[in-house]
Amino acid sequence: QVQLVESGGGVVQPGRSLRLSCAASGFIFSNYAMHWVRQAPGKGLEWVAVISYDGDNKYYADSVKGRFTISRDDSKNTLYLQMNSLRGEDTTVYYCARGAVGDYLKFDYWGQGTLVTVSS
Amino acid sequence: DIQMTQSPSSLSASAGDRVVITCRASQSIDNYLNWYQQKPGKAPNLLIYAASSLQSGVPSRFSGSGSGTDFTLTISSLQAEDFATYYCQQSFSTPITFGQGTRLEIK
Repeated sequence: QVQLVESGGGVVQPGRSLRLSCAASGFIFSNYAMHWVRQAPGKGLEWVAVISYDGDNKYYADSVKGRFTISRDDSKNTLYLQMNSLRGEDTTVYYCARGAVGDYLKFDYWGQGTLVTVSS
Repeated sequence: DIQMTQSPSSLSASAGDRVVITCRASQSIDNYLNWYQQKPGKAPNLLIYAASSLQSGVPSRFSGSGSGTDFTLTISSLQAEDFATYYCQQSFSTPITFGQGTRLEIK
């Protein structure tokens, strides 16, 4: 069965960096676009970034553009999110999600999320 | 960016009730509209895709309709496990955007 397991969250000071990982299993990872979506405590969902199945195309939300980088390692079936220059408003749960076949901007499976807290 | 507006923001209903949640896009998105259910402490779960297609494994009491800018999610007869927050999402273009959510509570 499809599984997505995020890791790497924690407490980090403003201005510092953090890298999140998402380990995928149960499907052919290299065939799918992958996303990061975040949710502040008690708030709604915010899309962060997408990477195409082949890694050639990446798109970002304006709120993270220039600070965050999405990448993938198909040999490890792992998705990454490198987060630099972190701000208080980046304090959220980060979910990785799989882009669906036929509509890669739709999310058909989600991980359980990892919490990032940006605080001094 | 395409703005997605859901209504109502919250809703109280009883088991067995029929519930309708609406979602409006700021521009036409054809049928690139998806609905998710999220329970507290859990990741969202895809319910409806392409405005009206039921995701595999989702009960048939959930249905969706609409195209262009106006969409609805209908739950025909609420069950206890349906009390959750529902989000619409447009997959027409990046940046992907969500509605603000509709919290469905027990009356």
